[in-house]
Amino acid sequence: LAKTTQPISMDSYEGQEVNITCSHNNIATNDYITWYQQFPSQGPRFIIQGYKTKVTNEVASLFIPADRKSSTLSLPRVSLSDTAVYYCLVGNQGGKLIFGQGTELSVKP
Amino acid sequence: DAGVTQSPTHLIKTRGQQVTLRCSPKSGHDTVSWYQQALGQGPQFIFQYYEEEERQRGNFPDRFSGHQYPNYSSELNVNALLLGDSALYLCASSFLDRGTNEQFFGPGTRLTVL
Repeated sequence: LAKTTQPISMDSYEGQEVNITCSHNNIATNDYITWYQQFPSQGPRFIIQGYKTKVTNEVASLFIPADRKSSTLSLPRVSLSDTAVYYCLVGNQGGKLIFGQGTELSVKP
Repeated sequence: DAGVTQSPTHLIKTRGQQVTLRCSPKSGHDTVSWYQQALGQGPQFIFQYYEEEERQRGNFPDRFSGHQYPNYSSELNVNALLLGDSALYLCASSFLDRGTNEQFFGPGTRLTVL
């Protein structure tokens, strides 16, 4: 299974765009890239999933270059409520999710 | 729709005891996965159930076992509890064949082993 590497922590201010990059050099052909968000004492929440190029939903955008060895989660105009841990995962659909350490995002006023 | 529910919310046990945690999946979901999350770590996959069978298993000892019922609800059983089993236990439900890695997580059960 492909291992992911992402920054341990990031700081931002309200209203800024936040980009969290994840490296997954050994991603397999049939792997998808998925991002989850987790608040303290809650279960993770699915944010977005993609295979290649760009995916956008009402919450975030996911940018995946052609070689798929990395991906970037973009959160537009963050607010204090976006303070959470963000996990980047790669794997087959429907199977087990392999979580790493995640990136602890702190949004300040 | 109540989403994924788990019970109990919190639990305190002593070493050597046994524990059963329960999970009700989101309405319509047929697959239940269990994860263990230690403090400050990401969730670790324990196992996944589909059609009442264990479909996949993570790197956990046989002390960890589970069950899925015909209504898709599930139980996680842990025998001979160790101090290191103290963690947040998360249940997640999903559709197996929907072409997505989207799983819906419950709020978790906080297990403390003394």
